[in-house]
Amino acid sequence: QVQLVQSGTEVKKPGASVKVSCKTSGYTFTSYGITWVRQAPGQGLEWMGWISGYNGDTSYLQRLQGRVTMTTDTSTSTAYMELRSLRSDDTAIYYCARVNDFLADAFDIWGQGTMVTVSS
Amino acid sequence: DIVMTQNPLSLSVTPGQPASISCKSSQSLLHSDGETYLYWYLQKPGQPPQLLMYKVSNRVSGVPDRFSGSGSGTDFTLKISRVEADDVGVYYCMQSQQLPLTFGGGTKVEIK
Repeated sequence: QVQLVQSGTEVKKPGASVKVSCKTSGYTFTSYGITWVRQAPGQGLEWMGWISGYNGDTSYLQRLQGRVTMTTDTSTSTAYMELRSLRSDDTAIYYCARVNDFLADAFDIWGQGTMVTVSS
Repeated sequence: DIVMTQNPLSLSVTPGQPASISCKSSQSLLHSDGETYLYWYLQKPGQPPQLLMYKVSNRVSGVPDRFSGSGSGTDFTLKISRVEADDVGVYYCMQSQQLPLTFGGGTKVEIK
């Protein structure tokens, strides 16, 4: 079955970087995109950006531009999201999700989430 | 950015009764291709979100037909005809008519 499995909990200091992985299985990685969505504690959902599984094209939330980089490794069907210059308000659960263009680019399968805590 | 506004913030429903969630967008979600890119997600407690509906009213495989989506332009509604205990969680609408993609603030559904 289709699965997205994310890397584990991270605790970082302000100013540091974090790289979250999203290992996919059960489908052809290059046929779908991956999106990243985050959720601060007790808050709603925030879209961060998207990367094509086919050619690596990206689109980022403008206010994260310059701090975020999304990449893929097609040899291992894994997507990555790196966030730099971390601040306390980056503390959140980070989710990856598959973008299904058969469902009008809906996010149809989600990873379990990765908690990132930024604290001095 | 397109602002998505959901109402109510929370809903307490007796099992078997209907529920309705409103989602309004600050701009029309009708794309130049003629489609309307409005989605509904449900986040059950302690879980990642799950997709319920795409393009306003298309139920994803496995979603019960108790759920229905409707609307056009800037006004959208998710209806549950008969709420069950398994429907508890936070419901989010989301638009992809324009970047950046944006979510509504969420509507928490609880069982009385």
